[in-house]
Amino acid sequence: AQTVTQSQPEMSVQEAETVTLSCTYDTSESDYYLFWYKQPPSRQMILVIRQEAYKQQNATENRFSVNFQKAAKSFSLKISDSQLGDAAMYFCAYRSAFINDYKLSFGAGTTVTVRA
Amino acid sequence: DAGVTQSPTHLIKTRGQQVTLRCSPKSGHDTVSWYQQALGQGPQFIFQYYEEEERQRGNFPDRFSGHQFPNYSSELNVNALLLGDSALYLCASSLVRGQGYGYTFGSGTRLTVV
Repeated sequence: AQTVTQSQPEMSVQEAETVTLSCTYDTSESDYYLFWYKQPPSRQMILVIRQEAYKQQNATENRFSVNFQKAAKSFSLKISDSQLGDAAMYFCAYRSAFINDYKLSFGAGTTVTVRA
Repeated sequence: DAGVTQSPTHLIKTRGQQVTLRCSPKSGHDTVSWYQQALGQGPQFIFQYYEEEERQRGNFPDRFSGHQFPNYSSELNVNALLLGDSALYLCASSLVRGQGYGYTFGSGTRLTVV
């Protein structure tokens, strides 16, 4: 079974600055997908960014980028130029590329607060 | 384009009762998954439905059951409710061939068991 670990329960960042959230995972598989989801107080999980394990290049979506280190099984999220609207719970998630395994395995989450 | 719609948004039930939660997937999506999110924790996978069949199940007891209808909407049923079933229940949908691109989630149903 895959496990996802987010070791930072809370992170605080000043508006316009950068914050990095860490995520590690445990798997014996070579092909998989990794995701970062954002959950604001509205409760809806919103996909922030995704990474395919077979791709070397780190994914980027506007102010959000990842540092994917496959050998180290690490998948950190960097939020640049932080905005007040970035305040939320952030979850790292793993999904196997195995054809009959559809579930997302989530970490425990990191609460991000943004100081004005 | 409507996203994933869940109903009701909040629900209070008594121990031992049964509950049914409902989910309409995003337009065009054909799989529906259900997750349980306890307070302060990450979501846990309950099961996924496709073509009206349960095709994968997480580590949940048989008290948790589901159904998918021909229009792809889904229900989650929980029997003999326990206090520990209090949680946010999230529904997620996707295209069966697009699951590597992630899932679209609803805003959940907050279930409180008293």
